[in-house]
Amino acid sequence: QVQLKETGPDLVQLTQTLSITCTVSGFSLTTYNVHWVRQPPGKGLEWMGAMWNGGGTDYNSAFKSRLSINRDTSKSQVFLKMNSLQTDDTAKYFCARHNNWGYFDNWGQGVMVTVSS
Amino acid sequence: DTVLTQSPALTVSPGERVTISCRASESVSTSMHWYQQKPGQQPKLLIYGASNLESGVPARFSGSGSGTDFTLIIDPVEADDTATYFCQQSWNEWTFGGGTKLEL
Repeated sequence: QVQLKETGPDLVQLTQTLSITCTVSGFSLTTYNVHWVRQPPGKGLEWMGAMWNGGGTDYNSAFKSRLSINRDTSKSQVFLKMNSLQTDDTAKYFCARHNNWGYFDNWGQGVMVTVSS
Repeated sequence: DTVLTQSPALTVSPGERVTISCRASESVSTSMHWYQQKPGQQPKLLIYGASNLESGVPARFSGSGSGTDFTLIIDPVEADDTATYFCQQSWNEWTFGGGTKLEL
């Protein structure tokens, strides 16, 4: 069955770089798109960016040049990297499979990241 | 950005018909989708394309709307439906509503 699983640190220091890996199974990264969404504690969902099945990327302009998304199709992994972390980047980070209708039909369990000074 | 506005909270009794609304700041056609999120869990897709029920989701859930005004209906609501419900549009990039917390 379709599965996505995020792995990454629990704690990141202020101004440092966050790296999270999304490992997928049950589908191919060359067929489906994978997006990243985050959720601060007690708050709503924020779209961060996309890895398209053709290898291209799109980013939420709110993250300017801090965010990069890459993939390794041989390992079925999508990578999120975001630098210059601030305390308001404390959030649960999800990867989600994107359907061509525009919705997210499968989500990982998320990884909670705290930015600490 | 296309802003989606939802009422923050709703308290109902089991067996009632529940209507959760989502208003978009501009037309999104029928590119509106609904998710359920329980505490500590990831969002779960309920409705896509404004009115299409995702496979495996109970028929108690339904959706309607187009343009700027959308509705998620739960009828009848059950105790297990206690959760936060988010709308999401995909007409202009991807944005989410702030969520409606449903309590029974």
